[in-house]
Amino acid sequence: EVQLVESGGGLVQPGGSLKLSCAVSGFTFSDSAINWVRQASGKGLEWIGLIRSAANNYATPYAASVKGRFTISRDDSKNMAYLQMNSLKTEDTAVYYCTRQERGDYGYDYWGQGTLVTVSS
Amino acid sequence: DIVMTQSPDSLAVSLGERATINCKSSQSVLYRSKNKNYLGWYQQKPGQPPKLLIYWASTREFGVPDRFSGSGTGTDFTLTISSLQAEDVAVYYCHQYYSTPHTFGQGTKLEIK
Repeated sequence: EVQLVESGGGLVQPGGSLKLSCAVSGFTFSDSAINWVRQASGKGLEWIGLIRSAANNYATPYAASVKGRFTISRDDSKNMAYLQMNSLKTEDTAVYYCTRQERGDYGYDYWGQGTLVTVSS
Repeated sequence: DIVMTQSPDSLAVSLGERATINCKSSQSVLYRSKNKNYLGWYQQKPGQPPKLLIYWASTREFGVPDRFSGSGTGTDFTLTISSLQAEDVAVYYCHQYYSTPHTFGQGTKLEIK
């Protein structure tokens, strides 16, 4: 069974940092890209960025809203993906999802349950 | 960036009737060499993550009921629910993964009339 499980969310002050983790199982993690998507309360879906597979040089494009502040990484030996978030702003408050994209021409076929990040003083 | 615009923002349909949601992209999402549209549709129910219904604009994900269908190519796409069931109440999103940044439509809230 394919599973993605996010962790690491919580309350952080503006300007602070937080690192989210995404533990995956049930598929060949190293072959898939992982995307991070967030959703503020009552709002739509916002793509944050992705990390491609080793075959695609672990490329990491980002959304303009987080570029330079957020960093996506992965550890294929541990079946883990990460989202390092620095210089957090109140507008970064959202549920953060990690998602699998098995191939570049597929949609995001598996999603985690999400982890809530609240940026507030 | 490719902007995805859905219409309508909300929709109320009677049980058993057809529901149609439209999605327009600001640029073509047709990958010509593969003849595939990099366009997906997702269903999101309250408190749950989105669920992939359709990819390549018209291919149903495994396990998705056949009352859900997708159509369109290039910049204009449609999600159709042929006979609305109570469990279809949700927000629906279109999504382009043709180019980064990947972008979503604003969502269409589907309710029972």
